[in-house]
Amino acid sequence: SQQGEEDPQALSIQEGENATMNCSYKTSINNLQWYRQNSGRGLVHLILIRSNEREKHSGRLRVTLDTSKKSSSLLITASRAADTASYFCATDGVNAGGTSYGKLTFGQGTILTVHP
Amino acid sequence: EAQVTQNPRYLITVTGKKLTVTCSQNMNHEYMSWYRQDPGLGLRQIYYSMNVEVTDKGDVPEGYKVSRKEKRNFPLILESPSPNQTSLYFCASSWEGPYNEQFFGPGTRLTVL
Repeated sequence: SQQGEEDPQALSIQEGENATMNCSYKTSINNLQWYRQNSGRGLVHLILIRSNEREKHSGRLRVTLDTSKKSSSLLITASRAADTASYFCATDGVNAGGTSYGKLTFGQGTILTVHP
Repeated sequence: EAQVTQNPRYLITVTGKKLTVTCSQNMNHEYMSWYRQDPGLGLRQIYYSMNVEVTDKGDVPEGYKVSRKEKRNFPLILESPSPNQTSLYFCASSWEGPYNEQFFGPGTRLTVL
């Protein structure tokens, strides 16, 4: 089965800096989603990018998707201490006919720490 | 308020004692799923349901059962829990399928002794 992998596993930066996280996956997808998790709590949806999109913005978030490389990146600009959390990518794989397998696969996550 | 609720939030039990973790959503979502989260392994999908009476295995279904008799509820059943099922469990729901935004419950921390 496909598995998303985030890189780096952990990232530590100063407030005001930009944070970039990468995600790779293995099969064709309908879309790719990014989620945020504050320590031990439920995940919160950040942004969704469809397979026919290359870039998407939402506030301080910028997501890119390269389906030829099966990879995505999440950029958080002008980071704040409140951005400290774990970030996960998630993909829904599709078969050769473009039909979703019905499953959502998460990566292992990137732990982001933003120091005040 | 639109939400996904899980009960209990915390549970300590012993090996072999059947338990059920409930999940309920009030958004009329078709798609519901269960995940477990373990350190270093991210979230792994246990079971999912595309609609009432339609359930399917995720990536780690062994030792778990689910049912979807009503649209709003999707309980997770551990018939004979074992220590390797100690984990943090999340229920999630969305419109139609996994390709839409998922709404997550607050999590259930389960310890099996």
